[in-house]
Amino acid sequence: GQQVMQIPQYQHVQEGEDFTTYCNSSTTLSNIQWYKQRPGGHPVFLIQLVKSGEVKKQKRLTFQFGEAKKNSSLHITATQTTDVGTYFCAGLEQGGSQGNLIFGKGTKLSVKP
Amino acid sequence: NAGVTQTPKFRILKIGQSMTLQCTQDMNHNYMYWYRQDPGMGLKLIYYSVGAGITDKGEVPNGYNVSRSTTEDFPLRLELAAPSQTSVYFCASSYSPRTGNGYTFGSGTRLTVV
Repeated sequence: GQQVMQIPQYQHVQEGEDFTTYCNSSTTLSNIQWYKQRPGGHPVFLIQLVKSGEVKKQKRLTFQFGEAKKNSSLHITATQTTDVGTYFCAGLEQGGSQGNLIFGKGTKLSVKP
Repeated sequence: NAGVTQTPKFRILKIGQSMTLQCTQDMNHNYMYWYRQDPGMGLKLIYYSVGAGITDKGEVPNGYNVSRSTTEDFPLRLELAAPSQTSVYFCASSYSPRTGNGYTFGSGTRLTVV
């Protein structure tokens, strides 16, 4: 079945450093979504990418969808302590009959002040 | 607009007891989901529903049951609770996995089975 792999599992950065998490699917995706979960909280939807090669920005966050629609990345510029949490990608298989996204295992980001 | 409401927020069960985790959404979403998240781990899909009267198994359905009699409600039933079911349970809803609005998650139910 479809698998979504996410790396790294953990990332520790100094405040001000950049951070990137990568998401790879075993199959071509119809779309990919990104979520953030703060410690002790619930996942919150950040963004959806649909088009091949698409790039979207939200302030210091940059999201990319690969040309082959099988991979994606989230890049945070100049991390802040408010960026702490776990970032999940979730993909919908192209042409699949499933009614649900497949989530990656997440990247846990810690930021040292 | 309440979004997705889960009750209870916390619960301690004894081995062998049963309980129902409640989930209600007021956004008229067709799709609803139940996930469990073990400490420090990702989300595992238990059951999902694409509309009232329709439910489907996810990755880890054993030990759980669901029903979807209305669009708004999607309760999760635990029968004969086991320590392995100690986890945080999240309910989520969406118009469709293909829309740009993503899943809306509830705040979770933290369940401990002792």
